[in-house]
Amino acid sequence: QVQLQESGPGLVEPSETLSLTCTVSGGSISSYYWSWIRQSPGKGLEWIGYVYYSGSTNYNPSLKSRVTISVDTSKNQFSLNLSSVTAADTAVYYCARRGYSGYYFEYWGQGALVTVSS
Amino acid sequence: DIQMTQSPSSLSAFVGDRVTITCRASQSVNSYLNWYQLKPGKAPKLLIYGASSLYSGVPSRFSGSGSGTDFTLTISSLQPEDFATYYCQQSYTTPYSFGQGTKLEIK
Repeated sequence: QVQLQESGPGLVEPSETLSLTCTVSGGSISSYYWSWIRQSPGKGLEWIGYVYYSGSTNYNPSLKSRVTISVDTSKNQFSLNLSSVTAADTAVYYCARRGYSGYYFEYWGQGALVTVSS
Repeated sequence: DIQMTQSPSSLSAFVGDRVTITCRASQSVNSYLNWYQLKPGKAPKLLIYGASSLYSGVPSRFSGSGSGTDFTLTISSLQPEDFATYYCQQSYTTPYSFGQGTKLEIK
């Protein structure tokens, strides 16, 4: 069974860079698309972007100038960097895997709460 | 960008009730419409993909329908474990987008 686990600091200071890693177990990171999705307090879900195992990426234009998503196939991990954060970036951050043959998020992590505050 | 609008935003119902949640897209997404269940502290679960296909392991009381811009998620007989928040999501084009969610509560 594929499992995803987010890890990283739970508190980030304003103007700094938020960094999270998603570790994939129970399956290979190869041949799939891997996404980051977030849920701000009291708000809905927002897709941040994805990385293909080859390293190609696609970002939400609303965050594109501040986002980098990368993959490390040797560690079966992929990562999110979000720069110049503000309080509006406080959210639960989820990592997720797209279905092999379908355009849906088949597996998700439990989510990591990141608070932006000084 | 495609905007997804769900209704209602919240819903109270009894165990055993039949409930329907609707989702409308600001433009056609064909059948690229998925439904998820979220519970606090747990990994979100995929329920329905491709508008009407039941994901593996999901109980048959869940069903989805629609195409184009209008979609529904129906739970035929609510069980205690179904009280959660439900989201629709279009995967027709990036940026992928979600509805604002429907919180299903016990009456």
